[in-house]
Amino acid sequence: QVQLQQWGAGLLKPSETLSLTCAVHGGSFSGFYWTWIRQPLGKGLEWIGEIHHSGITTYNPSLQSRVTISLDTSRNQFSLKVNSVAAADTAVYYCARTKVLLPYYYMDVWGKGTTVTVSS
Amino acid sequence: SSDLTQDPAVSVALGQTVRITCQGDSLRNYYATWYQQKPGQAPLLVICGKNYRPSGIPDRFSGSTSGNTASLTITGTQAEDEADYYCNSRDTSGNQLGVFGGGTRLTVL
Repeated sequence: QVQLQQWGAGLLKPSETLSLTCAVHGGSFSGFYWTWIRQPLGKGLEWIGEIHHSGITTYNPSLQSRVTISLDTSRNQFSLKVNSVAAADTAVYYCARTKVLLPYYYMDVWGKGTTVTVSS
Repeated sequence: SSDLTQDPAVSVALGQTVRITCQGDSLRNYYATWYQQKPGQAPLLVICGKNYRPSGIPDRFSGSTSGNTASLTITGTQAEDEADYYCNSRDTSGNQLGVFGGGTRLTVL
């Protein structure tokens, strides 16, 4: 059974870089996309972006200029970096495994979430 | 369009049937996926594809699609079904982005 374990710094100052990592346990990267999603407190889910097992990335246009998602297949991990954070980036961040096979699209395995707070 | 529209809140009496809907153009190309989220927890996949329930999801949960509208139906709603429900699909504008509906808070009376 695939599990995702995520970690990273939980408290940042404005203008710093958010850095989170998600480790994949019990499965491989092949055949899936690996996705980051965030959720501000009390609000809905926001899709941040994804990386295919081939390394191809796609980002939410609203965040594209600040976001990088990368893959480390040797460690079975993928990561998220968000540059120049501000208070609006305060949220719970989730990693997820995504299957895309038209007309199917679903995130079937999720990490537990990491709370990131941006405050001076 | 990349938008998925959900009603913000729905209520249902214990044991009754409730339908939660999600509307958007992307649903003409991709099936909607439905997630249940309880306070303090990560979202949980409950329905994907035409009407597929992952292992462990009760059969009172079902999904359907008609045109650009997807529905999640809970038959015989239980108290533990009270949660936020999000639909999710893939933007078909050419950018291949993921998109979520705004979520529906289900209250079981």
